[in-house]
Amino acid sequence: EDKVVQSPLSLVVHEGDTVTLNCSYEVTNFRSLLWYKQEKKAPTFLFMLTSSGIEKKSGRLSSILDKKELFSILNITATQTGDSAVYLCAVEGYSGAGSYQLTFGKGTKLSVIP
Amino acid sequence: AAGVIQSPRHLIKEKRETATLKCYPIPRHDTVYWYQQGPGQDPQFLISFYEKMQSDKGSIPDRFSAQQFSDYHSELNMSSLELGDSALYFCASSLWGGGDTQYFGPGTRLTVL
Repeated sequence: EDKVVQSPLSLVVHEGDTVTLNCSYEVTNFRSLLWYKQEKKAPTFLFMLTSSGIEKKSGRLSSILDKKELFSILNITATQTGDSAVYLCAVEGYSGAGSYQLTFGKGTKLSVIP
Repeated sequence: AAGVIQSPRHLIKEKRETATLKCYPIPRHDTVYWYQQGPGQDPQFLISFYEKMQSDKGSIPDRFSAQQFSDYHSELNMSSLELGDSALYFCASSLWGGGDTQYFGPGTRLTVL
């Protein structure tokens, strides 16, 4: 059974701090790892990672994948209150019969206080 | 750019009633996925369709059924609703095997009273 574990489950930081969110996984036939930001609505896509060691950046957010050690990190620098959300990690694997399936982690709840 | 559309956005039903949720994928996307997210829980995969055929099945209760139509929109039919069915139901769409990620819709919030 595919498994995605995120840590920490919850994190409270002050504005301006840098945070690192972790995601480890076990999946057969790995295709990609995705990070989502979820506020009070559907998760919104942040990054898709398929190759080890290649950092993806978007503004203050960056992410990298280690396919050997089966984990990914999401970094947020100079955090702002608008970064407060649940960050979901999901792994896409081939589930057989020509189908791919996403397995989500439990998420990391980030709270940024002024 | 057009996104995944779900309707209705909110739905309130009573126990033992039926409900139908609709999902309209991004244009040219041929694969639709349904997820259920209970309060404080991870999204759980229910079922997926590719080219109008069921492609994978997850933890979908027997009381639920779904299908994908010729215009690629999908409907999730839920019967004999129970209190525990109250959840946020996401639909996502993607291109089959094309390396495209799943794009989530805004979700339908179902409340069963």
